Amino acid sequence: EAQVTQNPRYLITVTGKKLTVTCSQNMNHEYMSWYRQDPGLGLRQIYYSMNVEVTDKGDVPEGYKVSRKEKRNFPLILESPSPNQTSLYFCASTTYGGNEQFFGPGTRLTVL
Amino acid sequence: EDQVTQSPEALRLQEGESSSLNCSYTVSGLRGLFWYRQDPGKGPEFLFTLYSAGEEKEKERLKATLTKKESFLHITAPKPEDSATYLCAVQTTDSWGKFQFGAGTQVVVTP
Repeated sequence: EAQVTQNPRYLITVTGKKLTVTCSQNMNHEYMSWYRQDPGLGLRQIYYSMNVEVTDKGDVPEGYKVSRKEKRNFPLILESPSPNQTSLYFCASTTYGGNEQFFGPGTRLTVL
Repeated sequence: EDQVTQSPEALRLQEGESSSLNCSYTVSGLRGLFWYRQDPGKGPEFLFTLYSAGEEKEKERLKATLTKKESFLHITAPKPEDSATYLCAVQTTDSWGKFQFGAGTQVVVTP
């Protein structure tokens, strides 16, 4: 089954404790992206990657890091999480030049 | 600055009561406008892509249209299963990889 998976689905952590949210897709897509979703603000793009070893900032990259060492994986790293990073995070992927982004199920992160 | 605004924020419809959602955008150059549906607790699901003014796309009870400044998502004779949040997003000619989403319209259809 074609899908985007994220882990963990739920995470409660404390300020300053480094964490990684994994994202994996099995569709051989070149493009992957991370978004955060907050009430009233919609989806905001954090980082995206056009292909392996190619990443670029979205609209809200501060406090986040990403890497793209393999085509199927695009982890999101919070090196020192803060409460304002409490949010619902989505990973998405598509083919290069594609229209339809396939979204993962989301990761709900709470930073205390 | 690029901007995407959706209205209304929320819409409550009776089953069979047709309505339209609006997505207005201000961008330097539009490459594509996308509509997604999002159910509670799930990731967005793709509905349509529109590229140029005058273009229309249809899927079941949904029809999306595009002008130079806005897009409409028309819901004809909605059913309770059409209840969801509808998101629009734009992609500009400046950067293929960047997508800007509106805040969404939450639609509730009651029997």
